[in-house]
Amino acid sequence: DIQMTQSPSAMSASVGDRVTITCRASQDINIFLGWFQQEPGKVPKRLIYAASTLEGGVPSRFSGSGSGTEFTLTISSLQPEDFATYYCLQHYTYPRTFGQGTKVDIK
Amino acid sequence: EVQLVESGGGLVQPGGSLRLSCAAFGFTFSTFEMTWVRQAPGKGLEWVSYISPNGDIMHYANFVRGRFTVSRDNTQNELYLQMNSLRAEDTAVYHCVKGSWVDFFGQGTLVTVSS
Repeated sequence: DIQMTQSPSAMSASVGDRVTITCRASQDINIFLGWFQQEPGKVPKRLIYAASTLEGGVPSRFSGSGSGTEFTLTISSLQPEDFATYYCLQHYTYPRTFGQGTKVDIK
Repeated sequence: EVQLVESGGGLVQPGGSLRLSCAAFGFTFSTFEMTWVRQAPGKGLEWVSYISPNGDIMHYANFVRGRFTVSRDNTQNELYLQMNSLRAEDTAVYHCVKGSWVDFFGQGTLVTVSS
């Protein structure tokens, strides 16, 4: 199975901060990576697929980049509603695998 | 509007069985791949299973292979997950998900495995 490793596991940030979360795959997954946001008590929501394609309705402050084994989710200016847990998922092969999650909370 | 409504969760003893259902609305169910994803209390997301649009191809996570079976009824727009030989570590909210790229999550149904 492909292992997905996110870093950091948790971070504290302030409104307006630029936030970067990294996801590393244990083998080449091309651009087949998605990013998900899960607010406390809510269902996960996809933000990005194919590494950099923004889901419809997702604010443009979110962006994704990377290919191969290293990927990045960037929030250009953190907003109050962005405090949540973020997950990456490889959709290159089966079984699919998620990263362990990155919790972004308020500094 | 896409809706996925799961049912069938509950309390079951270790070694027991449970069948989850997911009713799909708002899209042409028979043309879409479907997925199950679970989340144990306070833990991260785990991909569980996949089924092709016509139900002829399935994939499973190693930790459920041989115990869980995914199926679908395209005439009823329903997805199923038959779970046998349940273990305490299978306790989780099980989400029905549209797409093999995990496009959209249902609200989920809680499965609790405990004696």
